Amino acid sequence: ILNVEQSPQSLHVQEGDSTNFTCSFPSSNFYALHWYRWETAKSPEALFVMTLNGDEKKKGRISATLNTKEGYSYLYIKGSQPEDSATYLCAFGPPGSARQLTFGSGTQLTVLP
Amino acid sequence: DGGITQSPKYLFRKEGQNVTLSCEQNLNHDAMYWYRQDPGQGLRLIYYSQIVNDFQKGDIAEGYSVSREKKESFPLTVTSAQKNPTAFYLCASKPLAGGIANTGELFFGEGSRLTVL
Repeated sequence: ILNVEQSPQSLHVQEGDSTNFTCSFPSSNFYALHWYRWETAKSPEALFVMTLNGDEKKKGRISATLNTKEGYSYLYIKGSQPEDSATYLCAFGPPGSARQLTFGSGTQLTVLP
Repeated sequence: DGGITQSPKYLFRKEGQNVTLSCEQNLNHDAMYWYRQDPGQGLRLIYYSQIVNDFQKGDIAEGYSVSREKKESFPLTVTSAQKNPTAFYLCASKPLAGGIANTGELFFGEGSRLTVL
């Protein structure tokens, strides 16, 4: 069973603060690392799918980096807004299948106005 | 609008009863998945299907059953054999074709919350 860990489990920040959180995954046999945003009462939506070591992806104020050799990815949110409040999930996909991703338990972000 | 529809959103069941959760997608995706979420845990895979009339067990299949009679539909039955069925259930899908344009991301429904009384 693969172990994917996210930290912190929850986070409260003030509007305008920048924040970041971590996803750790096995560094061997890497294939892809996914980030999803899950707002309350909505469907999880993909933010990024990252496959290359050193990759950095950006969508608006949100960006992510990937280090496959040491087995971690960071998600950054610049200038947090209340609408960024959500649970952020990462998922690790080993090679060899369309089968599955192993999900972390998520980081719950609350942005206070 | 294209997407995944799960129903019902909330369901209550008495112990010993089977219950079926619906998942329908109009995205023309090949693969469909059922996940379970429990507090403080990551999503765990129950069953998945990559093609009509075929499906595979995930990590926690005991006490569950599925069918894939149509490409767009992948219902999950929570049977009385499932010892702890109270949970939040998410259905997802993704295409399997598309080459490098296929990022592998999953598309999710909004989920169904099952409570056993």
